[in-house]
Amino acid sequence: GAGVSQSPSNKVTEKGKDVELRCDPISGHTALYWYRQSLGQGLEFLIYFQGNSAPDKSGLPSDRFSAERTGGSVSTLTIQRTQQEDSAVYLCASSPRGGTGELFFGEGSRLTVL
Amino acid sequence: AQKITQTQPGMFVQEKEAVTLDCTYDTSDPSYGLFWYKQPSSGEMIFLIYQGSYDQQNATEGRYSLNFQKARKSANLVISASQLGDSAMYFCAMRDNFGNEKLTFGTGTRLTIIP
Repeated sequence: GAGVSQSPSNKVTEKGKDVELRCDPISGHTALYWYRQSLGQGLEFLIYFQGNSAPDKSGLPSDRFSAERTGGSVSTLTIQRTQQEDSAVYLCASSPRGGTGELFFGEGSRLTVL
Repeated sequence: AQKITQTQPGMFVQEKEAVTLDCTYDTSDPSYGLFWYKQPSSGEMIFLIYQGSYDQQNATEGRYSLNFQKARKSANLVISASQLGDSAMYFCAMRDNFGNEKLTFGTGTRLTIIP
């Protein structure tokens, strides 16, 4: 499809395991964001990629969280040694260069840490 | 640094009435954009409306309008003739057009339309 694609849509894991969440942005979009949303809460900014610039990692909650974006396209968010408080929906969004900067969101990856 | 404030965690409004959702922002950049998104219980994020800082007129999109008061740094969303389907979380967001252009979201307002 033409939208932002995230996988897996649902992930259940045990405490202490590592997880990888994938985001495939809209083709040609230079900006890519990761947000975290706990149940009933707002969007917590995690990390922002813009073209070839150094990513803005100011929102990553701990060094267990990391993200990369390969070839300016697909991004992977990795959470090491997961904790129960990591349980949330992880939303990815992309945006084209120029224009209004409107974000196009994926449907999210729901992570449950047991 | 950018900051977006939504002071209403929840609102209840009678169906068919108009509703205003508050949003104030703080930035030192002269050029920026303001956005509103809707998130129904299904979880998807739906873009509603955009206002540029240099736009002379308030943005409108169907039943949505943005009451932009630049001097007061407010960008309230107005929904006219509310419908049951308007029940959702609403997020205000801002993007500075200088610097790293990151979009920053407010904490959201949960709107419930009462039949």
